[in-house]
Amino acid sequence: AQSVTQLGSHVSVSEGALVLLRCNYSSSVPPYLFWYVQYPNQGLQLLLKYTTGATLVKGINGFEAEFKKSETSFHLTKPSAHMSDAAEYFCAVILHDDYKLSFGAGTTVTVRA
Amino acid sequence: KAGVTQTPRYLIKTRGQQVTLSCSPISGHRSVSWYQQTPGQGLQFLFEYFSETQRNKGNFPGRFSGRQFSNSRSEMNVSTLELGDSALYLCASSLLAGGSHEQFFGPGTRLTVL
Repeated sequence: AQSVTQLGSHVSVSEGALVLLRCNYSSSVPPYLFWYVQYPNQGLQLLLKYTTGATLVKGINGFEAEFKKSETSFHLTKPSAHMSDAAEYFCAVILHDDYKLSFGAGTTVTVRA
Repeated sequence: KAGVTQTPRYLIKTRGQQVTLSCSPISGHRSVSWYQQTPGQGLQFLFEYFSETQRNKGNFPGRFSGRQFSNSRSEMNVSTLELGDSALYLCASSLLAGGSHEQFFGPGTRLTVL
């Protein structure tokens, strides 16, 4: 069963515009939640994570995400896109008592000048 | 602190051969996981090792195997290579202490099977 759904395989934004990447999970118990970014020919870099506590999580490079239990969502946002944000972004979960990451299909972000 | 390293970065093999990939985790990390990334299937979990024991295995055929050494370094092996094994193989390490579950990834090994 798919644990993570990312809405939209491609997102195109103008430089300076809001970036919004959507992620929903399917688990009766809220899992640990992560966003990773992958630049061409590189591995995955952790942007941010939610485990417990504050539901608004701030990450690197100006990104943040909000955990909403009622909506089973963990959407990623950045107020103002930079050209350097062009990459592929993955939402991932770790279910409690598990040790593996289950990834969404990924969203490719293109930034227009 | 050095990150996760993977060797080699690129490999070209032919069908039927076998291959061994290596991963050195971040110092102090005892958990190592392996993932396969392909355009069609995305990122899929292969297996996870902790203190030389495989704790979790993904849905891959027995041709895919791995091991972990006492220094936490890990290797994965793929025998009887098939064209569909062409992929980016990613290794990740995790501290798994104090509620920390994040995994840190290496740059990957790009395997091409001809």
